[in-house]
Amino acid sequence: DIQMTQSPSSLSASVGDRVTITCRATQSISSFLNWYQQTPGKAPKLLIYTASSLQSGVPSRFSGSGSGTDFTLTISSLRPEDFATYYCQQSYSTPWTFGQGTKVEIK
Amino acid sequence: QVQLQESGPGLVKPSETLSLTCTVSGGSITNYYWSWIRQPPGKGLEWIGYIYYSGSTNYNPSLKSRVTISVDTSKNQFSLRLSSVTAADTAMYYCARCRDGSTCYYGMDVWGQGTTVTVSS
Repeated sequence: DIQMTQSPSSLSASVGDRVTITCRATQSISSFLNWYQQTPGKAPKLLIYTASSLQSGVPSRFSGSGSGTDFTLTISSLRPEDFATYYCQQSYSTPWTFGQGTKVEIK
Repeated sequence: QVQLQESGPGLVKPSETLSLTCTVSGGSITNYYWSWIRQPPGKGLEWIGYIYYSGSTNYNPSLKSRVTISVDTSKNQFSLRLSSVTAADTAMYYCARCRDGSTCYYGMDVWGQGTTVTVSS
């Protein structure tokens, strides 16, 4: 199985801050990396697919980059509704696997 | 727009079979891949498996011996059965749709709200 490791596991940030979350795969997954946002009590929401494509309806402050084994999710200017847990997921090969999550908390 | 709704018992006894159904509304189940994902309390996400509308399946090897996913296109539903459950199977169970009709490379764009299943006697 391909293991996905996110860092950091949690971070504290303020509204307006630029936030970057990284995700690393144990082998190359090309660009088959997706990012999800999950708020408490809700289902995950697709933000970014294939590393850098913005899902329809997702604000442009979210962006993704990377290929191979290293990927990043960036929130350019954090808004109150962005405080959530973020997961990466590889769709290169089954079993699809998720990172352990990064919790973005209010500083 | 397409919506998904999970249904099934919220409590299952150890060693018994967990059965859940996902009903697709606002769109057709045909020409898409459909997945089950679970999330134990306070933990991360685990992919269980997927099914194509035609019936072809792919399961997580960690659960493969206990999992069956099936589809009923006439009812616009797909289902999950997980046998011989233990407390470790206690989780929120989500159904989801792969974003692109012909592949799951592009992530899962529609999710159900989830249903909590507790395994306890």
